[in-house]
Amino acid sequence: QKEVEQNSGPLSVPEGAIASLNCTYSDRVSQSFFWYRQYSGKSPELIMSIYSNGDKEDGRFTAQLNKASQYVSLLIRDSQPSDSATYLCAVWDAGNMLTFGGGTRLMVKP
Amino acid sequence: DTAVSQTPKYLVTQMGNDKSIKCEQNLGHDTMYWYKQDSKKFLKIMFSYNNKELIINETVPNRFSPKSPDKAHLNLHINSLELGDSAVYFCASSQDLNLETQYFGPGTRLLVL
Repeated sequence: QKEVEQNSGPLSVPEGAIASLNCTYSDRVSQSFFWYRQYSGKSPELIMSIYSNGDKEDGRFTAQLNKASQYVSLLIRDSQPSDSATYLCAVWDAGNMLTFGGGTRLMVKP
Repeated sequence: DTAVSQTPKYLVTQMGNDKSIKCEQNLGHDTMYWYKQDSKKFLKIMFSYNNKELIINETVPNRFSPKSPDKAHLNLHINSLELGDSAVYFCASSQDLNLETQYFGPGTRLLVL
């Protein structure tokens, strides 16, 4: 069974710090990786996608992928209270299906 | 303009009842999905449809029956509701089957008493 694992948290960081969110996946053939942000009571919103090993930066967000270690992470620089949310890691496989992790709850304290 | 909309937003009902949730997307996408998110926040795919054709049916009890009258609509009918069906149900859509970027609806919060 394909699995995507995340630490449920909460991960608490002070405002302005770097938040580091981690995710591991079990299916070696997975090709595409995504980070969704979900505010409480709201729907998931795509914030980053990454397809190849290395880093991908978009504003304050950096996604990192290491396929050999089956590991994907999301760094949020200069964390703001508005970044407080649950971050869901998702993996796309050859079966045309997105498998989600359980999410990490991030709390950014002013 | 709402891209993916769902009705109702909240649904409270008794065990054993039958209920339906409706989803519509105005993005012109070919593929639509139903996901279930339980109280522990696990978001799990239930069904996907591509151009009205069922593509994925992920070991969901046959009390759940999706219907796609056209590619802009995907409804979910649930028979004989059980306590364990309480969850948030999200509809999503993507351009086509091979495009992973999915847009989610606002969710339907179902509570079975």
